[in-house]
Amino acid sequence: EVQLLESGGGLVQSGGSLRLSCAASGFAFNSYDMSWVRQAPGKGLEWVSGISGSGGSTYYADSVKGRFTISRDNSKNTLYLQMDSLRAEDTAVYYCAKVSSGYDRAWFYYYYMAVWGKGTTVTVSS
Amino acid sequence: QSVLTQPPSVSAAPGQEVTISCSGSSSNIGKNYVSWYQQLPGTAPKLLIYENNKRPSGTPDRFSGSKSGTSATLGITGLQTGDEADYYCGTWDSSLSAGVFGGGTKLTVL
Repeated sequence: EVQLLESGGGLVQSGGSLRLSCAASGFAFNSYDMSWVRQAPGKGLEWVSGISGSGGSTYYADSVKGRFTISRDNSKNTLYLQMDSLRAEDTAVYYCAKVSSGYDRAWFYYYYMAVWGKGTTVTVSS
Repeated sequence: QSVLTQPPSVSAAPGQEVTISCSGSSSNIGKNYVSWYQQLPGTAPKLLIYENNKRPSGTPDRFSGSKSGTSATLGITGLQTGDEADYYCGTWDSSLSAGVFGGGTKLTVL
């Protein structure tokens, strides 16, 4: 069974840093892209960042570019999100997700969050 | 403001059917596959539909997806009270090189 378990959330002051972790099990971790998605209180889903299976390619939403860094340790089956220069608007539940992605025979691209963790809460106080 | 546009809410009676629209552009829905997610109250999102119209195991066939041009639609037939949830569309935006979601649609089963 695929399982994703996030940790590392908490209360931090504006301008501070936090590192989230996501422990994965039940699948070949290094074969899949992974992503972080967040949800501010009472708001919708916001894709934050993604990383390829090898870790060689990373992608970011404009809202976090230059402040957040996604990484992975395939030897530990763990995904990370280093969050620096945190702002009040970064307050959210952060979900880790196993991504299925690729091109079909017609060269259309698919990218979807196949499995989600339960999330970890980050609160940034101003 | 979300890259993909969904209606904030829809409602229908039990047993009826409902559709939820998702509008995008040529750089996202127009060239990439669409997925749909269901988020029940107080829980994490769950994949409901992938690659426009495919259902993962566990998704009842009452749920269907379609895509035409730069828009996609989620259909739900035989509505049940347990379907009350927030529904999100998502895809990849090739211009942004980023994942994108719709703002979400709250389904109320009256």
